[in-house]
Amino acid sequence: DGGITQSPKYLFRKEGQNVTLSCEQNLNHDAMYWYRQDPGQGLRLIYYSQIVNDFQKGDIAEGYSVSREKKESFPLTVTSAQKNPTAFYLCASSLSGRETQYFGPGTRLLVL
Amino acid sequence: QKEVEQDPGPLSVPEGAIVSLNCTYSNSAFQYFMWYRQYSRKGPELLMYTYSSGNKEDGRFTAQVDKSSKYISLFIRDSQPSDSATYLCAMTTLTQGGSEKLVFGKGTKLTVNP
Repeated sequence: DGGITQSPKYLFRKEGQNVTLSCEQNLNHDAMYWYRQDPGQGLRLIYYSQIVNDFQKGDIAEGYSVSREKKESFPLTVTSAQKNPTAFYLCASSLSGRETQYFGPGTRLLVL
Repeated sequence: QKEVEQDPGPLSVPEGAIVSLNCTYSNSAFQYFMWYRQYSRKGPELLMYTYSSGNKEDGRFTAQVDKSSKYISLFIRDSQPSDSATYLCAMTTLTQGGSEKLVFGKGTKLTVNP
């Protein structure tokens, strides 16, 4: 089945710890995105990548880092510098960066 | 003023009702307009996609865009309990890098009661 997978579904972070959220797609899409969703809030863009080995900051990139070593993978690291990491994280992809975005099932990050 | 304003609701209607969901926006550069449906604890799924003023119909769903008033709507006819979800409007603009950036409303939570 074609689609976007995110893992894990739930993730717990301890104070001062870096954690990495996985996003994989087999749609052969060039562009990938990371969003953060807080209760009662719309989605806010963290990082996006149009091609392999290239990515740009979104609106709320502070405290996060990404890599794009393979077309199908776009992992997000939530660093200890992110002071309020509890949120629902959504990965999306689009064919060329100028097409409709399709979303994965999300990862819920909680702080212990 | 936020770029996209959406009434968060919640909205509760009886089964079979016509539902109207709305968003207003301030940025004239927005080019494409979308409605996503998000079930609880799931990722959003694309419901409707339009780019011009007017109506677009898909089954029980109608998306309406009025660019002169900077106003978009989603109508759901004969609403069903399975329509209970949060509906997010989204609009596209271009980033400096030339890719599309989605700007989302906060979402309206809809409950359709049997």
